[in-house]
Amino acid sequence: EAGVAQSPRYKIIEKRQSVAFWCNPISGHATLYWYQQILGQGPKLLIQFQNNGVVDDSQLPKDRFSAERLKGVDSTLKIQPAKLEDSAVYLCASSLSAVRGGNEQFFGPGTRLTVL
Amino acid sequence: AQTVTQSQPEMSVQEAETVTLSCTYDTSESDYYLFWYKQPPSRQMILVIRQEAYKQQNATENRFSVNFQKAAKSFSLKISDSQLGDAAMYFCAYREGSNYQLIWGAGTKLIIKP
Repeated sequence: EAGVAQSPRYKIIEKRQSVAFWCNPISGHATLYWYQQILGQGPKLLIQFQNNGVVDDSQLPKDRFSAERLKGVDSTLKIQPAKLEDSAVYLCASSLSAVRGGNEQFFGPGTRLTVL
Repeated sequence: AQTVTQSQPEMSVQEAETVTLSCTYDTSESDYYLFWYKQPPSRQMILVIRQEAYKQQNATENRFSVNFQKAAKSFSLKISDSQLGDAAMYFCAYREGSNYQLIWGAGTKLIIKP
């Protein structure tokens, strides 16, 4: 079974530039998560999709971050414009469903973003 | 609000020995799940072990086992016969039964000495 795919693996940009990350979840997984992980910290949930609908984006800085999940499969996360403090690893995860039951989240390899 | 605390930023253990990583959490809920995730330097986060709060029996997965103390709100991970491949960041996470969001600890870096 293929895992969660993410690209690119690394990205270096100047502040105020734009960047986009792509995620392809495990086939059949209805729930998709984007996390931001700053060095030395645990992941922070940015946004969660159930199929192609947003379940929770309360911690997404909406003035600069946006995300979409067209057709309920692939997802993209965009930052525009980037700030220095956006330097982090962006993790994508998916699970069968977010309903009761402690369904395991499967993670992709992440994208390491460096903002100069 | 629920919180997860990992008080050991870094731990080291000799290869083949046993190490225990600590995790405490704060919640008023009775229905929840606890997880230990491993994140090697390659960054792919993988699930190590899961514990349902309603189960009294401690979860075990091969060399990995937990000591779940519900009253004390403690959830430690024991790694037996440590191997070089166990070197990684270990994160403790909490999730309510009716919720989806994982609450994460800050992580413990485990170093294995050959």
